[in-house]
Parts: sequence; structure tokens; C-alpha cells
Amino acid sequence: SQTIHQWPATLVQPVGSPLSLECTVEGTSNPNLYWYRQAAGRGLQLLFYSIGIDQISSEVPQNLSASRPQDRQFILSSKKLLLSDSGFYLCAWNTNTEAFFGQGTRLTVV
Amino acid sequence: RKEVEQDPGPFNVPEGATVAFNCTYSNSASQSFFWYRQDCRKEPKLLMSVYSSGNEDGRFTAQLNRASQYISLLIRDSKLSDSATYLCVVYNAGNMLTFGGGTRLMVKP
Repeated sequence: SQTIHQWPATLVQPVGSPLSLECTVEGTSNPNLYWYRQAAGRGLQLLFYSIGIDQISSEVPQNLSASRPQDRQFILSSKKLLLSDSGFYLCAWNTNTEAFFGQGTRLTVV
Repeated sequence: RKEVEQDPGPFNVPEGATVAFNCTYSNSASQSFFWYRQDCRKEPKLLMSVYSSGNEDGRFTAQLNRASQYISLLIRDSKLSDSATYLCVVYNAGNMLTFGGGTRLMVKP
């Protein structure tokens, strides 16, 4: 069966510290992978998407970067977090009939 | 203009009411359409697919209007448990997802 793992579930980080969120997918190959961010009470903002290894597209200019070192691994990173990076981060992948989400990471930058 | 647009709401309705949401999309080549439900602090979950012929699942009816480029979701006999954010999702070429911003529904006793 296909599953998606995202961790950690909750993270509290100081301003200026680095960030690494990891997402892995099982049970499929060459998936489209996505990172979204959701501010409180707001919709999903697409940050990055990837159609293959080392193929990353960025949707908005920001303090974050993404990498896909392996087919089913997608990593969201930052060298120095800002307060405005706080939010709910979701990793996702999709078939042609459904999108699947990780459990999300609630990041609070303090 | 955003590629997929939704009224953010909130829609405040009493229990038992019928409520409808629309979602417009700008890419006429969009291929597939879905409604997702997101509960507070949770990941979105698939609610239903949207077909040109329309589809119904219990109290929920989804429809697609390709000519006007919108999809709709109708909820009949609203329950308290229907309170959530409803996201429309559009698939474009290469199975790329685009989400609407979501419509928040609050069903009151």
C-alpha cells in the first residue's frame, strides 16, 4: 500500500536556527511531490513541487529551499528561520485520482 | 488572478440547512477535479471526486461546469460534524495539483 511519512509532527525553533523537514513516500515510484504551508486560518500555499529527482520548482520567493535526493524523499530546509516561517507544513504526493498528505509539521519560530 | 479560487467564508449555517460552495478555475485544460475536507490542525482528506455528469454521495453532491469553469459542492441537511474547511483541487497537465484557498463552513446548533 502507498503511504507517506512526514516528521516531526511538532517543532519549536528559535529565530535564526536551521530547519530540516523530511517526507518519504512508500509504495510508489516517481511520484509528484509537494510542500505546502498553511498559516492559521488560511488556505494551502504551494511552496515547492518536484516531478523527479533533483527537479524542484519553487512557487514563491522565500527563506526556504527544497531538495529531492532520492525518488521518494523530499526535504524542506532553511538556513536561518524567520518568525514569519511559522505555520503548518504539509508534504503531499498524488496519483491521477487522489492526493495524499503527510500528517503535517506544526512549526513555531520563537 | 489565482488559478483556483474559492470564497474563504466562513459560511455560518444552522443544523439541517443546505449550503453550497463554488470553486472557479482558470485553466480550461484542467483535467480532473476533487473536493477535499480539512479539519482544524489536520491534513486534508479526499471528500469526493467531481465528474462532468455530477456525482452524489449521501448528503453531498458535486458538479462540474466546464463551460463556465467552476465546480460546486452542495451539502444537504448540514450536521455539526460538517464544520470544516472545504478545498477544491484541480489537476492539470502532468497530474500537477492546484488547490483553492478553501472555504470554511461552520454549522451551528
